[in-house]
Amino acid sequence: EAGVVQSPRYKIIEKKQPVAFWCNPISGHNTLYWYRQNLGQGPELLIRYENEEAVDDSQLPKDRFSAERLKGVDSTLKIQPAELGDSAVYLCASSVPGQGKGQETQYFGPGTRLLVL
Amino acid sequence: GESVGLHLPTLSVQEGDNSIINCAYSNSASDYFIWYKQESGKGPQFIIDIRSNMDKRQGQRVTVLLNKTVKHLSLQIAATQPGDSAVYFCAENAGGTSYGKLTFGQGTILTVHP
Repeated sequence: EAGVVQSPRYKIIEKKQPVAFWCNPISGHNTLYWYRQNLGQGPELLIRYENEEAVDDSQLPKDRFSAERLKGVDSTLKIQPAELGDSAVYLCASSVPGQGKGQETQYFGPGTRLLVL
Repeated sequence: GESVGLHLPTLSVQEGDNSIINCAYSNSASDYFIWYKQESGKGPQFIIDIRSNMDKRQGQRVTVLLNKTVKHLSLQIAATQPGDSAVYFCAENAGGTSYGKLTFGQGTILTVHP
């Protein structure tokens, strides 16, 4: 079974430029997550989708970040314009409903490493 | 500042030894816990999970212990191998309206020497 696929794997841009990340979750996983991981820290949730609906975007900096999951499968995370502090690894994860709410195992992709110069 | 996050706890062991990685969590309402392994340049990889109605769960070479009284979680790795070298994160899920939102701990760097 293929895992979570992300692209690109690396991205270097200048500040104020736009950037987009793409994620294809594990087949059949209706829940999709975007996380940001700063150097030396654990991932922090940005947004969670149940199918095509964003059910938790409270941590997403909406002034410059946007995300979509139009058909409930693939998802795109965009930053416009990027700032120096956005340099991080952007991780996508997916899951299926578990035994109880909040007990779904999340499987992570390899991430996109963003460097903003 | 940002440099605080770079000072991860470290554990250095010899190949074949048992390793114990500890994690303290803060939310007494958390009802689901997961250990992830993250190798350099890769995303976190699921190792083992445990629900709050359990104290112990065993997998292949790994055991997770949960002490809800002191809000402590530990991961035990038996017969540690060089391939176990990675950063290990514990994560908790608070359930309720926060379900689906994993809160990750700081991470521990495990280095296994041949």
